[in-house]
Amino acid sequence: QSALTQPASVYGSPGQPITISCTGTSSDIGGYKYVSWYQQHPGEVPKLLISDVSNRPSGVSDRFSGAKSGNTAYLTISGLQAEDEADYYCSSYRANGTLVFGGGTKLTVL
Amino acid sequence: QLQLQASGPGLVKPSETLSLRCIVSGGSITYGGFYWAWIRQPPGKGLEWVATVYFDGTSYYNPSLKSRLAISVDPSKNQFSLSLRSMTAADTAIYYCARQGGLGATGGPDVWGQGTLVTVSS
Repeated sequence: QSALTQPASVYGSPGQPITISCTGTSSDIGGYKYVSWYQQHPGEVPKLLISDVSNRPSGVSDRFSGAKSGNTAYLTISGLQAEDEADYYCSSYRANGTLVFGGGTKLTVL
Repeated sequence: QLQLQASGPGLVKPSETLSLRCIVSGGSITYGGFYWAWIRQPPGKGLEWVATVYFDGTSYYNPSLKSRLAISVDPSKNQFSLSLRSMTAADTAIYYCARQGGLGATGGPDVWGQGTLVTVSS
């Protein structure tokens, strides 16, 4: 099954905001409110940042926020910090019990 | 605190069948309406959802892998398992087990195990 589309890389400077997009179709992102975002540092397990489009689990910094418009979801990181440098993945429900992930975005903090 | 621990053979020969197990501790696999999933990540690449199971045996599979997959659950042992047949080098990956959050099988994984690396090589 085809993955959700994310930019391969994004860059930002400390203190600035950045937004990562995740584009799907009406069969996944556009059709449901079940988009999640993950952060993965090298050699580590993915960490849930956002669930159900915009819900932030307890313990996740409020610098991370999620939104959705049509078939595209967005993760925004405000006030970039060096430790935010990582890979970011989106996921969405896609009907009939299936899930799909995005290809991942490498965030570099300049 | 809920914890998941995946285990597997580490090395599998091409054409063989991979068997993985995930032991859940710190909570019952039958409680809370949660679904349980396998996700894999080839070295240096992205995440791919593999399969999901509920404690009653209800299962869902990645359509791209469905013909080779079987997922099962053993509530009495608080564990679930994955079998992947006809392994090839393309199946080399870290295999993570995880709990899916949210209602039904709709939520993304919210609790992850450490993962187990599976290498396919003769």
